[in-house]
Amino acid sequence: DAKTTQPPSMDCAEGRAANLPCNHSTISGNEYVYWYRQIHSQGPQYIIHGLKNNETNEMASLIITEDRKSSTLILPHATLRDTAVYYCIANSGGSNYKLTFGKGTLLTVNP
Amino acid sequence: DGGITQSPKYLFRKEGQNVTLSCEQNLNHDAMYWYRQDPGQGLRLIYYSQIVNDFQKGDIAEGYSVSREKKESFPLTVTSAQKNPTAFYLCASSLGGGRGLKDNEQFFGPGTRLTVL
Repeated sequence: DAKTTQPPSMDCAEGRAANLPCNHSTISGNEYVYWYRQIHSQGPQYIIHGLKNNETNEMASLIITEDRKSSTLILPHATLRDTAVYYCIANSGGSNYKLTFGKGTLLTVNP
Repeated sequence: DGGITQSPKYLFRKEGQNVTLSCEQNLNHDAMYWYRQDPGQGLRLIYYSQIVNDFQKGDIAEGYSVSREKKESFPLTVTSAQKNPTAFYLCASSLGGGRGLKDNEQFFGPGTRLTVL
């Protein structure tokens, strides 16, 4: 799996959009970008994944650059409950089950 | 109510003792995983199993053992050979089978916090 790089921490005001960046400059053509988050002392939770196109679901939007070397997870209206560590992971899917979790980004949503 | 459960939530053991952590899922998932998390760190893969009666070592398997006799169960034993076993242990499952990308979405249990005294 390609290495991903994320800032260690970010702050966001409640009600504003949170934009979490991820660099994956060595990503290969068959690797997808996954995002998970982990609220303190709980198990991680899947958020979204994508390959080339931008993706949106009920939790977030994922914007992937055209060269696929970076991506941004967007939480459109952050709430206090969105305070968590967010992990960006590159994985080729299929029979490659191994997800490599780095240290992620600690997002703190402030009132 | 489908999901993945781990027990107990907190576990204490004396140094030199083996201890087994439970992980059960009723999601009918083929693949199951065990991760370890230390304070301020990401998750590290200990073992994973793609199908019943089969499992593979992850990045930090030394001092751990697993079994996969039933599809819904994947217990992890922390042996006395594990030099630094105090950590947060997370179990996960996924559809598996290599049928498609969505099958790699992993569902996590609530975790077991193991403390060695």
